[in-house]
Amino acid sequence: GDSVTQMEGPVTLSEEAFLTINCTYTATGYPSLFWYVQYPGEGLQLLLKATKADDKGSNKGFEATYRKETTSFHLEKGSVQVSDSAVYFCALRKTSYDKVIFGPGTSLSVIP
Amino acid sequence: DSGVTQTPKHLITATGQRVTLRCSPRSGDLSVYWYQQSLDQGLQFLIQYYNGEERAKGNILERFSAQQFPDLHSELNLSSLELGDSALYFCASSVVGSGGGETQYFGPGTRLLVL
Repeated sequence: GDSVTQMEGPVTLSEEAFLTINCTYTATGYPSLFWYVQYPGEGLQLLLKATKADDKGSNKGFEATYRKETTSFHLEKGSVQVSDSAVYFCALRKTSYDKVIFGPGTSLSVIP
Repeated sequence: DSGVTQTPKHLITATGQRVTLRCSPRSGDLSVYWYQQSLDQGLQFLIQYYNGEERAKGNILERFSAQQFPDLHSELNLSSLELGDSALYFCASSVVGSGGGETQYFGPGTRLLVL
């Protein structure tokens, strides 16, 4: 079945370090891909998305590129801040109005 | 603020009891989804409604049921509660964007603790 795999962490980085969280997916067809973020004690927020191959989603300094050939959607940020500490979920959706399938989440801690 | 509201924020109850979780979607969104987030199962899709009709079912137990009302708000009913039902329950609503892609916006969740 369709699934999402991501590095589970926890990932600990110093402030201003470069961040990469790997995400790969298994799905037929051309799913839409998402990154959601969950800050401590809060709900899920959509961080960015890409709906077709080679699309790049970006928001708040985070970027991810939809790579069909490697079935990947890695999340990157050039310089992390303490306020980026959260759990990041990679996700896919096969078609509009379909359920979202989430990866296990990656916990990120950024230390000053 | 996603515009999706959920009540209550926290719920503590005992095994065997029944609870109702409520979700109000963003204005104009016809589709509502329910998800469960637990430590051992991660984030799992439970059920989806579109304009009052059940559209898709995921890993939802028979003890759980849901409905969407004419004003589009939705309720998730959990009965004969067990300790393992303790989790964070999210509701999401969705809209199709100008480019045709649909985005789901999540509410803050209801944290259920079964003692």
